Amino acid sequence: KNEVEQSPQNLTAQEGEFITINCSYSVGISALHWLQQHPGGGIVSLFMLSSGKKKHGRLIATINIQEKHSSLHITASHPRDSAVYICAVLSGAGGTSYGKLTFGQGTILTVHP
Amino acid sequence: DAGVTQSPTHLIKTRGQQVTLRCSPISGHKSVSWYQQVLGQGPQFIFQYYEKEERGRGNFPDRFSARQFPNYSSELNVNALLLGDSALYLCASSLRFLDRSKYLLFFGSGTQLSVL
Repeated sequence: KNEVEQSPQNLTAQEGEFITINCSYSVGISALHWLQQHPGGGIVSLFMLSSGKKKHGRLIATINIQEKHSSLHITASHPRDSAVYICAVLSGAGGTSYGKLTFGQGTILTVHP
Repeated sequence: DAGVTQSPTHLIKTRGQQVTLRCSPISGHKSVSWYQQVLGQGPQFIFQYYEKEERGRGNFPDRFSARQFPNYSSELNVNALLLGDSALYLCASSLRFLDRSKYLLFFGSGTQLSVL
């Protein structure tokens, strides 16, 4: 079992729909990143969370540390939101260890007009 | 300000050859990390460097090595290339090392390596 699991793997939506992408992890973490990757490889960091909830425009990210679960929500989805969304967790940090990022496999989102 | 820049953007090598990939972080960023992304999968952590020292290493063989220079740019070297090394290699920079959870990561566009 992977340390970071995302669901769904593929998601198709109509423009305007509310979208949720889930991320579950099995290790203790100090932070969780949500990333967006467009075709061609470029990755943009959307959020970094260690607790609670963050909002940026139409994007909302939440994390529940006790349940080891995070969600990324997109309100009023648009075709330009079509991309791969990746969850990554920072674990193993502390003392002299600088930790490492472990990535989920990504969720391919396609939003149709 | 320029973002994270990687060179080259594409590279074709044959099995057994050696390759060097380059990364320039955002100005002022002292931490650089490297990731391998095989087609259809999420990235995998290779190395993290901070202040010119290796601060973390993923589960990659010794054929993979890296270094960080005084100007904080970094090189990733892969020796004795295998077909399975074909992947997108991503570099990311951050202000400090990754365990300071308030620092965002900024990624380059990657180097697409094809091993024939």
